Amino acid sequence: DAGVIQSPRHEVTEMGQEVTLRCKPISGHNSLFWYRQTMMRGLELLIYFNNNVPIDDSGMPEDRFSAKMPNASFSTLKIQPSEPRDSAVYFCASSFSPGPSSYNSPLHFGNGTRLTVT
Amino acid sequence: SQQGEEDPQALSIQEGENATMNCSYKTSINNLQWYRQNSGRGLVHLILIRSNEREKHSGRLRVTLDTSKKSSSLLITASRAADTASYFCARGTHTGFQKLVFGTGTRLLVSP
Repeated sequence: DAGVIQSPRHEVTEMGQEVTLRCKPISGHNSLFWYRQTMMRGLELLIYFNNNVPIDDSGMPEDRFSAKMPNASFSTLKIQPSEPRDSAVYFCASSFSPGPSSYNSPLHFGNGTRLTVT
Repeated sequence: SQQGEEDPQALSIQEGENATMNCSYKTSINNLQWYRQNSGRGLVHLILIRSNEREKHSGRLRVTLDTSKKSSSLLITASRAADTASYFCARGTHTGFQKLVFGTGTRLLVSP
């Protein structure tokens, strides 16, 4: 089975440019998460969706960041305009959640997008 | 910080030795998970322990949970060079929907 697929694998862009990161979760999973990893702050949860609906976006750093999940098989994280401090590895993860009162299901991570903003 | 904190931050051992990593957290949980991350790759789930469990095993992995001390430990027995990676604990909260908060990680180096 294919795992979580992220694209691009690497992205280098100049400050001020728009960046779009893409994620295809595992088929059948109903929860999707975007995380950001840096040496300074570790792994931060940016936003997560359940059944394509954003449940918690409190981790989104500012209005320059936006995420969408138009259907169960695709999500995007957009940064506009990008800044050098956005440089990080961005991970998408998915899981199957039987319901809101259940224990957390294991997350399946993609291999990330390494973003460099110069 | 709401993050879990692992210690040590880094651990260097020889093949065949056991490796123990600890995780502490501050708020209540309903489960705690451990993940491994190889360099340049995504995190891989290792084991999940529920708040009403005290110990769990999976192959060479042993996880304990002490909710009174708000701490967990991951033991890797008979380590191998292939175990070299970063290990993270992640706590699941009682907020209802899925939400995992990751700790800062332990970098494990296993030398042949």
